[in-house]
Amino acid sequence: AQSVTQLGSHVSVSEGALVLLRCNYSSSVPPYLFWYVQYPNQGLQLLLKYTSAATLVKGINGFEAEFKKSETSFHLTKPSAHMRDAAEYFCAVSAVNAGGTSYGKLTFGQGTILTVHP
Amino acid sequence: DGGITQSPKYLFRKEGQNVTLSCEQNLNHDAMYWYRQDPGQGLRLIYYSQIVNDFQKGDIAEGYSVSREKKESFPLTVTSAQKNPTAFYLCASRRDRDGFEKLFFGSGTQLSVL
Repeated sequence: AQSVTQLGSHVSVSEGALVLLRCNYSSSVPPYLFWYVQYPNQGLQLLLKYTSAATLVKGINGFEAEFKKSETSFHLTKPSAHMRDAAEYFCAVSAVNAGGTSYGKLTFGQGTILTVHP
Repeated sequence: DGGITQSPKYLFRKEGQNVTLSCEQNLNHDAMYWYRQDPGQGLRLIYYSQIVNDFQKGDIAEGYSVSREKKESFPLTVTSAQKNPTAFYLCASRRDRDGFEKLFFGSGTQLSVL
């Protein structure tokens, strides 16, 4: 069984400020973890993924996330927010097969809406 | 260009009516998925299909039905048994041997009840 909890349904930052979106996971098997971004009335786009190769993962648009097994966390950060970062962000978890491919179900967190103000 | 097309973008349902949401992909992907999105609840899996003529229930399949007669098409029917159908519906697909990092999403259908 697996689950994801995103702390904070809304986060508001000033342009240029640090962005921190929190994600904690629960998984009975070694997980793969993902962050997705969704702009209004659109589908989801992958930001980055953790697949056990490195605990600090860099993604698109300057975002990165660190996998901390001891804290079961995978928080998303960006040093300096831009107006274009305003969107909804989803953390997700899946199981991994022996071949190293994520499989089965992708379980999403509740989402965090990021607002960036001037 | 390859991609996933969902139609219509907006759909309205009357009481007691069944409605069908279309999802077509020209990516030659094996697996297709339907998710329901409600504010503050993230995405929840309704149904998925890994091969033609086969599909499995997700976490919230009650009140929904699907078919997978062709590899490129995975329509979702919201039946009258679904008492709270208002939501944003997302279709997604991927090749069976790829991980979820290669999951492609459509642009969604917003379903509302009249």
